[in-house]
Amino acid sequence: EPEVTQTPSHQVTQMGQEVILRCVPISNHLYFYWYRQILGQKVEFLVSFYNNEISEKSEIFDDQFSVERPDGSNFTLKIRSTKLEDSAMYFCASSDPQRGGSTGELFFGEGSRLTVL
Amino acid sequence: LAKTTQPISMDSYEGQEVNITCSHNNIATNDYITWYQQFPSQGPRFIIQGYKTKVTNEVASLFIPADRKSSTLSLPRVSLSDTAVYYCLVGDTWNSGGYQKVTFGTGTKLQVIP
Repeated sequence: EPEVTQTPSHQVTQMGQEVILRCVPISNHLYFYWYRQILGQKVEFLVSFYNNEISEKSEIFDDQFSVERPDGSNFTLKIRSTKLEDSAMYFCASSDPQRGGSTGELFFGEGSRLTVL
Repeated sequence: LAKTTQPISMDSYEGQEVNITCSHNNIATNDYITWYQQFPSQGPRFIIQGYKTKVTNEVASLFIPADRKSSTLSLPRVSLSDTAVYYCLVGDTWNSGGYQKVTFGTGTKLQVIP
């Protein structure tokens, strides 16, 4: 079964450093997302991406965050200057607008754990 | 998106049927109800989605009363591997722009006991 893959599985970085988290969505999907989950807390929406532009973003997704689809397969999340509070699991997801009713199923990757020291 | 309320946690013995109810009093006409499952350190996984009445798949059943202000996820004969957090989401995830925003609540932590 097709799956969303994320790299790295775990990254440790120093505060203030830039981090890029990578995702390969399911190949025929057109909508891409990033979520994050701080340990013990709920899954939080960061951003959705469609047609090479941001569709919607949350208040969490401030100027230190950016997303990009640099080629036909990868979808990246960049955190410019990491803070301690950015430590979390970051999940990438994709969906296929042709699948099922008027809402689509989100397929999530296994996540990238970011630890900021 | 409509706000949802579900129990914070539930315990169940192996082999029992588990029913998790979600309240969504402000559900809108176009809203669908979707449930996701999340195991520790893994991404959420879609379980089931419905609009009204009953939906059943190989994993679970979803019961939605006529007023659609609540829904119940039913897991038949749970096993230890069903221990996870279950999220109820309500929304019209396709808007005129064709994209969707899916927001997770706090979920219900189900603990299956041997």
